[in-house]
Amino acid sequence: TQLLEQSPQFLSIQEGENLTVYCNSSSVFSSLQWYRQEPGEGPVLLVTVVTGGEVKKLKRLTFQFGDARKDSSLHITAAQPGDTGLYLCAGAGSARQLTFGSGTQLTVLP
Amino acid sequence: SQTIHQWPATLVQPVGSPLSLECTVEGTSNPNLYWYRQAAGRGLQLLFYSVGIGQISSEVPQNLSASRPQDRQFILSSKKLLLSDSGFYLCAWSTNRAKSPAGNIQYFGAGTRLSVL
Repeated sequence: TQLLEQSPQFLSIQEGENLTVYCNSSSVFSSLQWYRQEPGEGPVLLVTVVTGGEVKKLKRLTFQFGDARKDSSLHITAAQPGDTGLYLCAGAGSARQLTFGSGTQLTVLP
Repeated sequence: SQTIHQWPATLVQPVGSPLSLECTVEGTSNPNLYWYRQAAGRGLQLLFYSVGIGQISSEVPQNLSASRPQDRQFILSSKKLLLSDSGFYLCAWSTNRAKSPAGNIQYFGAGTRLSVL
């Protein structure tokens, strides 16, 4: 069974601060995705990383896939209240299924 | 463009009553379909997935069942709800393109908040 451990579980920061969310596993994934979810809605895809060592930037968000394709991180620079939400990582294995991390609830205070 | 519809958005049901949640996808054919349950502020637990009409795989034993009567329709059901069935249920779809990173991307509906009282 593939497991993804996500940390921290909760994060509350002030507007303008930087933060990093981690997603770790002992399993290798063919790709890894990051989703963001608002309360009462479904998760929305932010990015997919496929190649070991890959770095993708989406405005103030930087996503990195580990060299061994077992872990990933999400770094947010100068966080804003609009970044508040539940961030989920999800790893794709050999089957048409995703293994989801436990989520990081981010609150950015104005 | 592809869209996914899930309803109802909110449902309150008594213990022992039946359940039927429906999910439909538009704008694509032969999608993979998924039902998840999510605890508050936590990750998603896969309940069922389907790669085609009438093909259902169950990930965890439970009081729920799923059916796919049409290519783009996925239904989550129960004959008798339990208190423990309360939660946030999400339907998702992905393409059936094998060995493609794009085939791993899942697109989610808005979810159904189920309260069993």
